[in-house]
Amino acid sequence: GIQVEQSPPDLILQEGANSTLRCNFSDSVNNLQWFHQNPWGQLINLFYIPSGTKQNGRLSATTVATERYSLLYISSSQTTDSGVYFCAVDEYGNNRLAFGKGNQVVVIP
Amino acid sequence: GAVVSQHPSRVICKSGTSVKIECRSLDFQATTMFWYRQFPKQSLMLMATSNEGSKATYEQGVEKDKFLINHASLTLSTLTVTSAHPEDSSFYICSAYSQGYPHEQFFGPGTRLTVL
Repeated sequence: GIQVEQSPPDLILQEGANSTLRCNFSDSVNNLQWFHQNPWGQLINLFYIPSGTKQNGRLSATTVATERYSLLYISSSQTTDSGVYFCAVDEYGNNRLAFGKGNQVVVIP
Repeated sequence: GAVVSQHPSRVICKSGTSVKIECRSLDFQATTMFWYRQFPKQSLMLMATSNEGSKATYEQGVEKDKFLINHASLTLSTLTVTSAHPEDSSFYICSAYSQGYPHEQFFGPGTRLTVL
């Protein structure tokens, strides 16, 4: 099956700093999503982005499908951005998602 | 977006008992739902695909007789953990996608199962 690798695994940020999270995948994908898992375990949809660039407030994402990677940018980080960010891909177009191991982000005031 | 709910949010049971977890799509119909399991500090692992009106499809290594899935309506899928043991303790999360967002999956809030 497809391999999904996220880096860095852990990140500590000062409030107000910017950061970039990376997701590499080993094969072509039909779907790529970024999620934020809050402390209660709920997965929050950030982006559905199989290709191209999207922005939503302080967050933006870019997927370069031909080079098999996606980036999630967090600008002007806030303490509420803390949590685990997951990248998930659908290899076969059947909506079965394979998740990376996540990026644990801690934003300190 | 589309809203998915789960019930219960938390359950504690004795070893050997069975536990049922419900997953509902609140504002859309879902012919397909998915069940994931997440152990502490780990990623989500897909367990099975739940298909309305037909048998579920299980991922390799997931025991279908232990994790019974029923998808009897377009808005409800249930996962029953039969004869639960402490190693089944985990965070169980369901997901679904809406026809309005055909490839974007939305996740329920999860159910934390603790087996004593």
